[in-house]
Amino acid sequence: SQELEQSPQSLIVQEGKNLTINCTSSKTLYGLYWYKQKYGEGLIFLMMLQKGGEEKSHEKITAKLDEKKQQSSLHITASQPSHAGIYLCGADATYGNKLVFGAGTILRVKS
Amino acid sequence: NAGVMQNPRHLVRRRGQEARLRCSPMKGHSHVYWYRQLPEEGLKFMVYLQKENIIDESGMPKERFSAEFPKEGPSILRIQQVVRGDSAAYFCASSQGQGLGEQYFGPGTRLTVT
Repeated sequence: SQELEQSPQSLIVQEGKNLTINCTSSKTLYGLYWYKQKYGEGLIFLMMLQKGGEEKSHEKITAKLDEKKQQSSLHITASQPSHAGIYLCGADATYGNKLVFGAGTILRVKS
Repeated sequence: NAGVMQNPRHLVRRRGQEARLRCSPMKGHSHVYWYRQLPEEGLKFMVYLQKENIIDESGMPKERFSAEFPKEGPSILRIQQVVRGDSAAYFCASSQGQGLGEQYFGPGTRLTVT
């Protein structure tokens, strides 16, 4: 079955620093999704990647999918307190829209 | 354009009672997914529905759980005879069409079974 591994499990960074979160799949992906979740709240859609080598950016967040479509990274530039939360990667490995999620990365940003 | 709506946001039930969770997809979306987030566990797929059809229910517990998405009205996730282990956050997501597509999540319903 599809498994997604996220690293690190948690991260504390100083405001203004850059950071990277990784997501590795055991299988080739049809689609890779990144979401952000605030504790006790719903998931906010960030980006979806489909093609090998694809890269997307939104404000200070950039996500990449490797050529083999098994690994993705989420990079935040000049982190701010508003970036704090839980980042989840989700994968569609069956082309059926059923997403499998990683365990999440907890990000804290110190002012 | 309103996002995915879920209600209630919080639901408390005693053991043995029924829980009904509602989800209204985003405007223009005809595909609904339910996920469950248990305490200290990740987000797990439960069921995928289109209007009047269950497409994939491979993540649904075999007993006590059912889901529907009628022609009119919201999608309903129903849990009969709730037990303490059903306490979790239940999220609904919707997408526009079949195949790869952006899934947008609702705020979730937090079910507590006492």
